Amino acid sequence: DGGITQSPKYLFRKEGQNVTLSCEQNLNHDAMYWYRQDPGQGLRLIYYSQIVNDFQKGDIAEGYSVSREKKESFPLTVTSAQKNPTAFYLCASSPRGGDTGELFFGEGSRLTVL
Amino acid sequence: AQSVTQLDSQVPVFEEAPVELRCNYSSSVSVYLFWYVQYPNQGLQLLLKYLSGSTLVKGINGFEAEFNKSQTSFHLRKPSVHISDTAEYFCAVSPFNNNDMRFGAGTRLTVKP
Repeated sequence: DGGITQSPKYLFRKEGQNVTLSCEQNLNHDAMYWYRQDPGQGLRLIYYSQIVNDFQKGDIAEGYSVSREKKESFPLTVTSAQKNPTAFYLCASSPRGGDTGELFFGEGSRLTVL
Repeated sequence: AQSVTQLDSQVPVFEEAPVELRCNYSSSVSVYLFWYVQYPNQGLQLLLKYLSGSTLVKGINGFEAEFNKSQTSFHLRKPSVHISDTAEYFCAVSPFNNNDMRFGAGTRLTVKP
């Protein structure tokens, strides 16, 4: 079945450690996105990539990094510079220049920093 | 840039009652409109979308929404809710030919027996 797979679903880390969240899609979509979700704040865009080897910062990119070496993969690294990393992280994808703008979401990864 | 306001952060209703979740948006360009649903600890699923044409859009699970251009609104409705509709609902807008989707803060719908 086509879809987006995020791993791990739950992750615990100590303060000051970098962590990497995985996002893989087999929908053959060109564009991929990372959102952060906090209670009562909706979804905020961290980074997005419209094509392989290219990505742009979203509204809250500070303390995060990404790479897009393959079309199907868009990993997110939460660095020690991110002041409040505990959150629910959602990966999404869409066809590039999609004529509907619809996003397809993974199941999310919940990061807790102790 | 576009923005979305969901007017209610929480909506409690009794089972089999009707419900309306309100969404207003602002944008300087034409947009597509979406409602997504999120169950606890899961990703977002598309409920329905408005692209063009008829302003009344029907989605999954008996939900529908009406696009009102003059009021820049896209309210979500269901005539009779079930316990299983308890979830968080997000309204979103995306400009034509641009994947810059913006989300509202969400409305938590709680259906009580």
